[in-house]
Amino acid sequence: DTGVSQDPRHKITKRGQNVTFRCDPISEHNRLYWYRQTLGQGPEFLTYFQNEAQLEKSRLLSDRFSAERPKGSFSTLEIQRTEQGDSAMYLCASSLEVSYGYTFGSGTRLTVV
Amino acid sequence: QQQVKQSPQSLIVQKGGISIINCAYENTAFDYFPWYQQFPGKGPALLIAIRPDVSEKKEGRFTISFNKSAKQFSLHIMDSQPGDSATYFCAASTGYNTDKLIFGTGTRLQVFP
Repeated sequence: DTGVSQDPRHKITKRGQNVTFRCDPISEHNRLYWYRQTLGQGPEFLTYFQNEAQLEKSRLLSDRFSAERPKGSFSTLEIQRTEQGDSAMYLCASSLEVSYGYTFGSGTRLTVV
Repeated sequence: QQQVKQSPQSLIVQKGGISIINCAYENTAFDYFPWYQQFPGKGPALLIAIRPDVSEKKEGRFTISFNKSAKQFSLHIMDSQPGDSATYFCAASTGYNTDKLIFGTGTRLQVFP
């Protein structure tokens, strides 16, 4: 297990289409986070899971966004009816509970045209 | 109150020089202050972190200085190298119940030979 894996690395989609991203955390990590990063900005928190429970959602996560983590392993982030403003890098991270240390994946870059 | 303000936006340093990046925060509940390094096309990687019970932490060429009364913390990179050229983000977390991170806006560091 070499780190946090995200798939795909790049996604180009037309406005209005649905997209789904996958994140595979480090296997022993029970916490999983999704962040969004736009050009020239720091990552912004979207949501986080402890095992399979989604414990917090940012107000950035509109109704068009949904995240799941079935069985507390991998996670998916779905964006429905994509808009141009959704274009960003979507980062996944994982950590051990109360370890205070994140490991980020390399992200999925979404471009909505 | 949730913001973390970071400066400068960009920094150019000669090889061997000292790079200094500053951050300030308002939320006194923050109790964990990490710095992340991000290379183009990669996710952020944890560089060094500090808790407010110490005023300085050093790891190799990287030092965090923390001023609790001023609500400021800074990253010092000694003997800066061209390989240090990257974007650096400070962040903060309350660490309570969730270690959701609030990131600064980033500093693009360029180290010239």
